[in-house]
Amino acid sequence: QKEVEQNSGPLSVPEGAIASLNCTYSDRGSQSFFWYRQYSGKSPELIMFIYSNGDKEDGRFTAQLNKASQYVSLLIRDSQPSDSATYLCAGSRYKLSFGAGTTVTVRA
Amino acid sequence: NAGVTQTPKFQVLKTGQSMTLQCAQDMNHNSMYWYRQDPGMGLRLIYYSASEGTTDKGEVPNGYNVSRLNKREFSLRLESAAPSQTSVYFCASSETQSTDTQYFGPGTRLTVL
Repeated sequence: QKEVEQNSGPLSVPEGAIASLNCTYSDRGSQSFFWYRQYSGKSPELIMFIYSNGDKEDGRFTAQLNKASQYVSLLIRDSQPSDSATYLCAGSRYKLSFGAGTTVTVRA
Repeated sequence: NAGVTQTPKFQVLKTGQSMTLQCAQDMNHNSMYWYRQDPGMGLRLIYYSASEGTTDKGEVPNGYNVSRLNKREFSLRLESAAPSQTSVYFCASSETQSTDTQYFGPGTRLTVL
């Protein structure tokens, strides 16, 4: 079992809708969690990180962490075609462990 | 600042050939990492260097060696390339090893024939 599992997707949403991405992790000692966005043929770039239970908002992005249930999610509000990418969830205790990624397509 | 740079961007090797992938960062980070990315597998850690002078194996170290040349540079060597090593290789760095954000280089696309 991978340490970090993501809903496999692909996920297709209409422009302006909310895209919801989920991630679960197996290591209860994981302390911090990251969401990276990766455009096709490019390197991952950080969108958000979250350390504490609850919600963290940054513009159109909201990360949610529930340590008791061992899940992390990312909501993208008012989705735009430029949000079309693969989103990688990662958890860290001593090293980052990445999920396989969820590909999101925003339909104009 | 260039961030994390990698050379080369593309490389084609024949089975059994050797090569070294170069990585450098100008953010004064202590920790550096090498990952490979294969379709459907996400990013898998090959080796990492928590600080200058130290290196440790990650999830998939077989067939690779690394050198932390100085604080800025971390190289990955394939001694005898195999088709299974066809992948995209990313170097990353972070301020410290534990929970800090990692910043990625542009990647090297390697094909082994």
